[in-house]
Amino acid sequence: QVQLQQSGPGLVKPSQTLSLTCAISGDSVSSNSAAWNWIRQSPSRGLEYLGRTYYRSDWYNDYAVSVESRITINPDTSKNQFSLQLNSVTPDDTAVYYCARSRGGGGTAFDIWGQGTMVTVSS
Amino acid sequence: QSALTQPASVSGSPGQSITISCTGASSDVGGYNYVSWFQQHPGKAPKLMIYDVSNRPSGVSNRFSGSKSGNTASLTISGLQAEDEADYYCSSYTNSYTRVFGGGTKVTVL
Repeated sequence: QVQLQQSGPGLVKPSQTLSLTCAISGDSVSSNSAAWNWIRQSPSRGLEYLGRTYYRSDWYNDYAVSVESRITINPDTSKNQFSLQLNSVTPDDTAVYYCARSRGGGGTAFDIWGQGTMVTVSS
Repeated sequence: QSALTQPASVSGSPGQSITISCTGASSDVGGYNYVSWFQQHPGKAPKLMIYDVSNRPSGVSNRFSGSKSGNTASLTISGLQAEDEADYYCSSYTNSYTRVFGGGTKVTVL
């Protein structure tokens, strides 16, 4: 079955870059029918969609307006994984970060989720 | 993009039916048939329960059903069971080419 395994540090200093990776098993990051997403959850902001990467004969990304100036989501076909980079973090970026697969036209059917990574932004 | 509006809590007795609403706008819920619902137990990742307004993924109980009218989507849980006690979130595609979540509803089984 499809599984997503997240990795990355749980503590990031303010103004630095948050970096997380999501390894895919049972599916391909290059799939023409899936998209690969990052979502975060905090008590103050609830669930918040961050963005995605997907392949449809070429690679595409789309990002939430709230983070689009600071975020990069990249696929790594050699390792069948994708990554999240969020620059210039502040304590407001403290949250549980999830990677998730979506399929379907609207990209809201997040059917497979990673285990979540608690990231704290603090000096 | 503002979060979709859900009631903070809904409760019911075992065997009863409950309905959770998810209100948005014509730019999201009302404009597209791309509403999903998720169940989340404490400390766990969300689980997809309904997608594209009313479709159930394989393995999800048929006690869960979804619908939409105008700018409001709804999730109904029939034959409420103790294991249904969890937080529930809706999500919708938006005309800004992104996705937005609701604030979440805590379901309590009395």
